[in-house]
Amino acid sequence: GAGVSQSPRYKVAKRGQDVALRCDPISGHVSLFWYQQALGQGPEFLTYFQNEAQLDKSGLPSDRFFAERPEGSVSTLKIQRTQQEDSAVYLCASSSIPGQGAYEQYFGPGTRLTVT
Amino acid sequence: AQSVTQLGSHVSVSEGALVLLRCNYSSSVPPYLFWYVQYPNQGLQLLLKYTSAATLVKGINGFEAEFKKSETSFHLTKPSAHMSDAAEYFCAVSGRGDDKIIFGKGTRLHILP
Repeated sequence: GAGVSQSPRYKVAKRGQDVALRCDPISGHVSLFWYQQALGQGPEFLTYFQNEAQLDKSGLPSDRFFAERPEGSVSTLKIQRTQQEDSAVYLCASSSIPGQGAYEQYFGPGTRLTVT
Repeated sequence: AQSVTQLGSHVSVSEGALVLLRCNYSSSVPPYLFWYVQYPNQGLQLLLKYTSAATLVKGINGFEAEFKKSETSFHLTKPSAHMSDAAEYFCAVSGRGDDKIIFGKGTRLHILP
């Protein structure tokens, strides 16, 4: 079956531009997660959705970061007025188990964002 | 709060030799523990997980890890390294009911011919 997909795989943005990163979770998975992975670091949690509800956004680094999942499937992570420190790989993961998302998460290939 | 520390950002072993990647965790609640592998330009793949059942956990590709509460460790081992094992390995922790996984900084495993 299809796994988690993300698009685009690579994005180059000029400082100050807005970007939108898309995640298609595994069909039927209720939980969706976004992580940020800086170069040479492990992934860091950004936000978590259960269906369309954003239950945890404690990891979003600033109010320039916004995520949505309006119909409980596809999710978009938007970064406004990008800064160089936003350069990272953005990983999406999904899980079939609501409320116990840490138990089993399936990761997509990531979107590598480079801000110049 | 949870955290993990991976000892050694780079580890090199000869093909056929034992692989040992070290991970120590900190958790205020009984932890779930994970090892993930990441190949270049790919997402994370779960190797194995500990969820309070058997303390010796077997995973894919011949890897296993042992949960040692007294040492707060969850080291990853493989008896005989293969060239295809070269990748980045991440130890991670979560608490029961948590919605997030806390990752270590990773260990890059190099396999020498």
